[in-house]
Amino acid sequence: QQQVKQSPQSLIVQKGGISIINCAYENTAFDYFPWYQQFPGKGPALLIAIRPDVSEKKEGRFTISFNKSAKQFSLHIMDSQPGDSATYFCAASMASGGGADGLTFGKGTHLIIQP
Amino acid sequence: EADIYQTPRYLVIGTGKKITLECSQTMGHDKMYWYQQDPGMELHLIHYSYGVNSTEKGDLSSESTVSRIRTEHFPLTLESARPSHTSQYLCASSELLGTIYFGEGSWLTVV
Repeated sequence: QQQVKQSPQSLIVQKGGISIINCAYENTAFDYFPWYQQFPGKGPALLIAIRPDVSEKKEGRFTISFNKSAKQFSLHIMDSQPGDSATYFCAASMASGGGADGLTFGKGTHLIIQP
Repeated sequence: EADIYQTPRYLVIGTGKKITLECSQTMGHDKMYWYQQDPGMELHLIHYSYGVNSTEKGDLSSESTVSRIRTEHFPLTLESARPSHTSQYLCASSELLGTIYFGEGSWLTVV
């Protein structure tokens, strides 16, 4: 049973465009929703995170939109750049942060920004 | 900036060998984790620890074992490696209610 469903699996966006990655979760006990960015050969790095008490969080070109009633959240990358090409993972956890047993990850989205 | 270190970064070993992947963090985090990730694929939690002398199994069954004798150290051991163990192993740590930080991973190839 996959608790966090991520789409699309891969995404190609032109430089300067908007990249949108979506995630849906099932467990209503989740209360922390981070996005991680992973470059080849590296470990995932925290990009941005949101808690259910807000509907949107923005950091630079990266925005998380959160819809609690639909149990969905998404990552928007504005003005996408070739350096944004990476794999992006959404995740969720309980107990505000690390959770009892760590994060539950989506399957990842391979993002390619074409120059 | 996360201070979590994994060694070795890359390892090729023969079937049946015993290996230990080392993980250390200098942030004083209580919680530590091991995730397994095949190239370009999702991450699966295989072990975690709440603190010294605490170890728990994660969602994905693994033949590996872990120990937590010191707060900063969380090694993972495979007693008898097999080709099916070929994967990337990611160590991570966090405060009890905090952000999870990952190391750069250990790539294991069993031939």
